[in-house]
Order: sequence, then C-alpha cells, then structure tokens
Amino acid sequence: KQEVTQIPAALSVPEGENLVLNCSFTDSAIYNLQWFRQDPGKGLTSLLLIQSSQREQTSGRLNASLDKSSGRSTLYIAASQPGDSATYLCAVSGTGNQFYFGTGTSLTVIP
Amino acid sequence: DTAVSQTPKYLVTQMGNDKSIKCEQNLGHDTMYWYKQDSKKFLKIMFSYNNKELIINETVPNRFSPKSPDKAHLNLHINSLELGDSAVYFCASSQSGDSSNEKLFFGSGTQLSVL
Repeated sequence: KQEVTQIPAALSVPEGENLVLNCSFTDSAIYNLQWFRQDPGKGLTSLLLIQSSQREQTSGRLNASLDKSSGRSTLYIAASQPGDSATYLCAVSGTGNQFYFGTGTSLTVIP
Repeated sequence: DTAVSQTPKYLVTQMGNDKSIKCEQNLGHDTMYWYKQDSKKFLKIMFSYNNKELIINETVPNRFSPKSPDKAHLNLHINSLELGDSAVYFCASSQSGDSSNEKLFFGSGTQLSVL
C-alpha cells in the first residue's frame, strides 16, 4: 500500500529565504503527484500537479520536481513571504481513484 | 461560484445522534470523495464515487453511509455518532478519477465535534 511521508513536519524561516519541502512515497507506480496548500480552517488548494511522465512544474515562485524512480518530490519556494505561511501537503494518485496524502509540512515565514 | 461546497461548516452534536453532511460540486466532475482529517492533520480517504457508483470504501465503520443522488452530489450520513468521529470531513471531486492530469478540488471542510 502506498505510503507518503513529508519532511520536515514543521519549518520556520525568515522572510525572503528560499526553502525546500520534501515528499517521499513508497510505490513508484503513480499517475501524478500534487502539492496542496492548506490554510487554518480552510480546505486544500491545489498548487502544482506533476504528471508521472514529467520531471518538474513551475508556477510563479513555486517549483515542484518529481523523481519517480526514487519516490521523491520537492517543492521549492523562492523568496518566501509571510503570506506563504500554511500547511503544505503532497499527494500521489494511482489507479482506481486513489489519492494518498502525506502528513504535511507546517510552514511559518517570519516577517 | 464555489466549485465544491459542503454544509454545514461546523457541526456540534451529542454522542449517539445521527447527522448528515452535504456536498455539491458544480465542476461537472464524474468522481467525488469523502476524506477525514484527524487532529494530526492526516488526510485519509473514506469513500469515492464515480458517476454515482461506489468505487472506494476504505475500512470505514458501516455507521458511515455515503449517498450519491446524482454525480454532482455526495452526502455523508453518520449514525450513532461516537467521540472518535470528531474530525474535519472534506468533500472533494476530480474529473474522472483515473487520469494522469487529474486535479483534486476540495470543499472547505466540515468540523464535526461529538460531545
């Protein structure tokens, strides 16, 4: 069964720093990997989706990479801002409508 | 217009009661899901429906019964509520549920507190 792990569980950085969040998964037979953002008391918002045949996706200050063979993905956030403070979750999808979520990284960007 | 909407946002109830959470999506998606997020923020799938048919039922007690009257709606009924049912329940949808380009869209969650 697919297991998704995210490291670190929590991260605190000063404003302006670049940072990397990590996601690892045990079964490389995935359709895609998605990174989500969750603000307190809110639902999840999809940030980036990387198909299994792709290596990376970019959106603004965000860049997500995927190494399917090693079961790893990273989310790179450039020039962090206080508004980036949230919990970031990665999820992998396989056959049969299954999406497996990681445990999340709680990010705090200090002004 | 909210893409995936669920009601109520908050639900406080006594142990033993029966309650329902409603979910609707206006994205024209074929697949809808219910997820449970525990106090440690871990999201776990409960059910998945594709075009009104049950696809996934992940070892959820049969006190939980999803109902999909049409592909735009997936409601969750919970009987005989227990303290351990307290969590945030999220509804979600995706286009077909079986594609490499599938994005998952979430509702804003229902925080259930069982007293």
